[in-house]
Amino acid sequence: AQKITQTQPGMFVQEKEAVTLDCTYDTSDPSYGLFWYKQPSSGEMIFLIYQGSYDQQNATEGRYSLNFQKARKSANLVISASQLGDSAMYFCAMREVVNTDKLIFGTGTRLQVFP
Amino acid sequence: DVKVTQSSRYLVKRTGEKVFLECVQDMDHENMFWYRQDPGLGLRLIYFSYDVKMKEKGDIPEGYSVSREKKERFSLILESASTNQTSMYLCASSPRAGRMNTEAFFGQGTRLTVV
Repeated sequence: AQKITQTQPGMFVQEKEAVTLDCTYDTSDPSYGLFWYKQPSSGEMIFLIYQGSYDQQNATEGRYSLNFQKARKSANLVISASQLGDSAMYFCAMREVVNTDKLIFGTGTRLQVFP
Repeated sequence: DVKVTQSSRYLVKRTGEKVFLECVQDMDHENMFWYRQDPGLGLRLIYFSYDVKMKEKGDIPEGYSVSREKKERFSLILESASTNQTSMYLCASSPRAGRMNTEAFFGQGTRLTVV
């Protein structure tokens, strides 16, 4: 069963603006990790950011930050100061402790940045 | 530099053929994964392996099998290729479970077309 939900098939954002990509998840495991990956048109999968379920603070990596709301089971990716090179598919993924070796992905959001 | 290498970038096979997709990693990772990526469906886990000769089914194992005889190599086998197996196949690897913040590293993908 799908445990990661990305409800935005596509998003548009103007260059230099911020954008939020939504991700909700479903798990009964108290310990889990959440990941975001970027996939440009070249097809490679690029790891962006990680959030652990017990982390007290929201994760940040450069222009990427993760808006983690545990009670709502959401882990939205925020990209600040969008650049043309941010145009890509973005995937949210989850790893549970019980099935720690599995990494389950959502359906992805295609982000397009325009000048 | 970490590397996951898939043997082919593009493959065209005929219906009914037995197809082998090969994946090699040079990071001494215990875990290896095979995903299938289709538009609108995201990445779906076919099989994963947490050790040599060990494997577990993912969400869509039907029509596929896997082989892991050596730690660095994980093969996906389509016993009798069908047109509905036309897709992008992604291989990934990660260190052993227990480190929740360990991301998976991906190969460049194999675009398989079954005619």
